[in-house]
Amino acid sequence: AQSVAQPEDQVNVAEGNPLTVKCTYSVSGNPYLFWYVQYPNRGLQFLLKYITGDNLVKGSYGFEAEFNKSQTSFHLKKPSALVSDSALYFCAVRGLNTGGFKTIFGAGTRLFVKA
Amino acid sequence: SQTIHQWPATLVQPVGSPLSLECTVEGTSNPNLYWYRQAAGRGLQLLFYSVGIGQISSEVPQNLSASRPQDRQFILSSKKLLLSDSGFYLCAWSRRGINTGELFFGEGSRLTVL
Repeated sequence: AQSVAQPEDQVNVAEGNPLTVKCTYSVSGNPYLFWYVQYPNRGLQFLLKYITGDNLVKGSYGFEAEFNKSQTSFHLKKPSALVSDSALYFCAVRGLNTGGFKTIFGAGTRLFVKA
Repeated sequence: SQTIHQWPATLVQPVGSPLSLECTVEGTSNPNLYWYRQAAGRGLQLLFYSVGIGQISSEVPQNLSASRPQDRQFILSSKKLLLSDSGFYLCAWSRRGINTGELFFGEGSRLTVL
């Protein structure tokens, strides 16, 4: 069965330090992978996606993610965190056996960036 | 540009009362439409999706129903609300025929059932 795991409920990082939010997935076939961000009481916003090609994907607000097929991971990264990056981050996958119209989300990781 | 609107933003309803949440998309045609529920500020559960007018697929048996009376309108309903229906409901759309496409979310509707 297809699934997405975000092993950390919360990540704490100091402003200016690099951040990583982890995601692993399980899906048959080639996965389509996404990261979204949610601010309090708001809808989710798309950050970036991996479909094919270069394993390092760049997205909005200086975020990037690295696709690793052998480790079935798609970790979100940013070289220098900002306090305004504090939010809830979701990894998501859409694959052949999820159905073309269904995106499956991880449980979310709350990022706290301390000034 | 495309926009998605959801209303009402917040709703407090008694147990056993009906529900209607509405979602409309502007600036695109023939979108795929989705209703998700987010409980306790965390994971998202897909409730319904639609690939066209009158075409609704339900993911989870529940006390809710969805309808798509027009191409860019998606409605979430209930005849009698339960306490367990409380949550944050999110409407989303994606481009038709593009399986690699991202979802675009509305701002959500927070439902509290008392």
